Amino acid sequence: DIQMTQSPSSLSASVGDRVTITCRASQGISNYLAWYQQKPGKVPKLLIYAASTLQSGVPSRFSGSGSGTDFTLTISSLQPEDVATYYCQKFNRDLGVTFGPGTKVDI
Amino acid sequence: EVQLVESGGAVVRPGGSLRLSCAASGITFDEHGMSWVRQAPGKGLEWVSGIDWNGGTIGYADSVKGRFTISRDNAKNSLYLQMNSLRAEDTAFYYCARAVTSAMRDAYDIWGQGTMVTVSS
Repeated sequence: DIQMTQSPSSLSASVGDRVTITCRASQGISNYLAWYQQKPGKVPKLLIYAASTLQSGVPSRFSGSGSGTDFTLTISSLQPEDVATYYCQKFNRDLGVTFGPGTKVDI
Repeated sequence: EVQLVESGGAVVRPGGSLRLSCAASGITFDEHGMSWVRQAPGKGLEWVSGIDWNGGTIGYADSVKGRFTISRDNAKNSLYLQMNSLRAEDTAFYYCARAVTSAMRDAYDIWGQGTMVTVSS
């Protein structure tokens, strides 16, 4: 079974900082990767799918990259409303669906 | 308005059963795969089960296989999860989520607000 890990598990940054979250798959998953944002007490929100495609309506300060086993979510300029937990997720007919453990982002 | 609304969550004793429902409105329900994703209080997200657009392909997490059954009724724009032999570790918020495509294993672009299932004696 393919495992997903995320690092760091939590981070604290200042408004305006560039923030990078890493997601790693134990085996190659091509670009079958999505990123979600979950604010406290709220429902998960899709930010990026297919590793780098920005979901409609998501601010352009969010970006995704990677392929194979290593992926990153970058927030180019952290804003107060970005305080949330961020999850990566792999998906594929043959690879199943698994979420990463999450990265908590604070200001 | 595009929305998914779950119902059916409750407090149930170990070994009991529940049926969750998810009603879709404002979306073309029958063109998309659907899944159930759960989240225990204070924990991360766990995919539970998924079904493709016409019910032809179904999948389950190992943790619920043989106990849970997913189904959908496209005529009623509804998704269901029959949960049997419930265990304490099934306690969680259960979200229904719409897949971006017709497949069940996909990214999920629309989520319901969730329904809470508590398994406790």
